[in-house]
Amino acid sequence: KQEVTQIPAALSVPEGENLVLNCSFTDSAIYNLQWFRQDPGKGLTSLLLIQSSQREQTSGRLNASLDKSSGRSTLYIAASQPGDSATYLCAVPYNTDKLIFGTGTRLQVFP
Amino acid sequence: EAGVAQSPRYKIIEKRQSVAFWCNPISGHATLYWYQQILGQGPKLLIQFQNNGVVDDSQLPKDRFSAERLKGVDSTLKIQPAKLEDSAVYLCASSLGRGWGVGYTFGSGTRLTVV
Repeated sequence: KQEVTQIPAALSVPEGENLVLNCSFTDSAIYNLQWFRQDPGKGLTSLLLIQSSQREQTSGRLNASLDKSSGRSTLYIAASQPGDSATYLCAVPYNTDKLIFGTGTRLQVFP
Repeated sequence: EAGVAQSPRYKIIEKRQSVAFWCNPISGHATLYWYQQILGQGPKLLIQFQNNGVVDDSQLPKDRFSAERLKGVDSTLKIQPAKLEDSAVYLCASSLGRGWGVGYTFGSGTRLTVV
């Protein structure tokens, strides 16, 4: 059974720091991996989708990497800003189109 | 395009009462999902619809939870009777269809507190 874990559970950093959020999964036979952002009281916003054949995806200050063999993905946030404060979730699909989510990393960036 | 609409945004009920949540997916999205997100955890799938048929409800506590998607558009999720452990955010999501890499769009969720 696929299990997805994220560390750290919470992170508080000063503005301007570069960050790495980690996601681990137990079954490496995945087709893709997604990173989502969740603001308090809001739904989930998809940030990046990495296909299994890819090793990296970039969007602005965000870079996500995928290493299937080791069961790991990282989300790199460059030059963090207070507006980046949110919970970040990774998810992998199962049974075609359902998602298994990690527990999330709650990020706070202070000025 | 308009997003996935959910209502109400918040609901507080006493245990053993009933409650219903409503979801209106993006127009043309055939697949609709209900996820439950307990505080401090990632969302977990409750039920999946394809048009107005149920694809997967294996994680739905059927003794108290029910859901329907009449006419393959809007969906309603009901809890009766509610328990304290049902306190969570209930997220609705929709997608064009099924398949790997098909993008999801999530609604803002309904935060349920059972006291």
